[in-house]
Amino acid sequence: DAGVIQSPRHEVTEMGQEVTLRCKPISGHDYLFWYRQTMMRGLELLIYFNNNVPIDDSGMPEDRFSAKMPNASFSTLKIQPSEPRDSAVYFCASSLFSRANTGELFFGEGSRLTVL
Amino acid sequence: DQQVKQNSPSLSVQEGRISILNCDYTNSMFDYFLWYKKYPAEGPTFLISISSIKDKNEDGRFTVFLNKSAKHLSLHIVPSQPGDSAVYFCAAVTGNQFYFGTGTSLTVIP
Repeated sequence: DAGVIQSPRHEVTEMGQEVTLRCKPISGHDYLFWYRQTMMRGLELLIYFNNNVPIDDSGMPEDRFSAKMPNASFSTLKIQPSEPRDSAVYFCASSLFSRANTGELFFGEGSRLTVL
Repeated sequence: DQQVKQNSPSLSVQEGRISILNCDYTNSMFDYFLWYKKYPAEGPTFLISISSIKDKNEDGRFTVFLNKSAKHLSLHIVPSQPGDSAVYFCAAVTGNQFYFGTGTSLTVIP
């Protein structure tokens, strides 16, 4: 399996522009998570989906952030308009939960966003 | 509010010695605890986990200890190797939610 695939790996944009980050989870996984990594807060959960349905978006910082999962193999995280404080590494992770295992997360390589 | 805390942002250890990374949590409802390792420019990868009903889990050079009364988790790496140099995140799980600490950067000095 190719693992969780994220794109772009790096994005540099100007304040006010729209940013779209993309994620392809591992095939067969039923949970998808979006995290943001910052020095101050570490890995911060933004939103997660179960079977393509958003379950908890309480971590989404503002209305400028939105996430969708139109099907089991694709998700997007959109920031509109972007601001310099959104600069961070955004990770997508997927998982297959069951009672038989710990439900560990499999992370993508991350998308490093820089907003100037 | 951080439910999982790693109070040491960095740690340096000599090769061959033991590395001890610590993690504290506040929620007694956590079911599982996990450690992830992260190299620069890569995503975190799963290292080892422990169920809340156990107090120790060992996998090769890596051992995780859980002290529920103290709400404390630790990862022991022995012997430490230069390839272990990375950022280590602890995570706690309740339901389907993962809560991560801020990470500890481990440097193993050859």
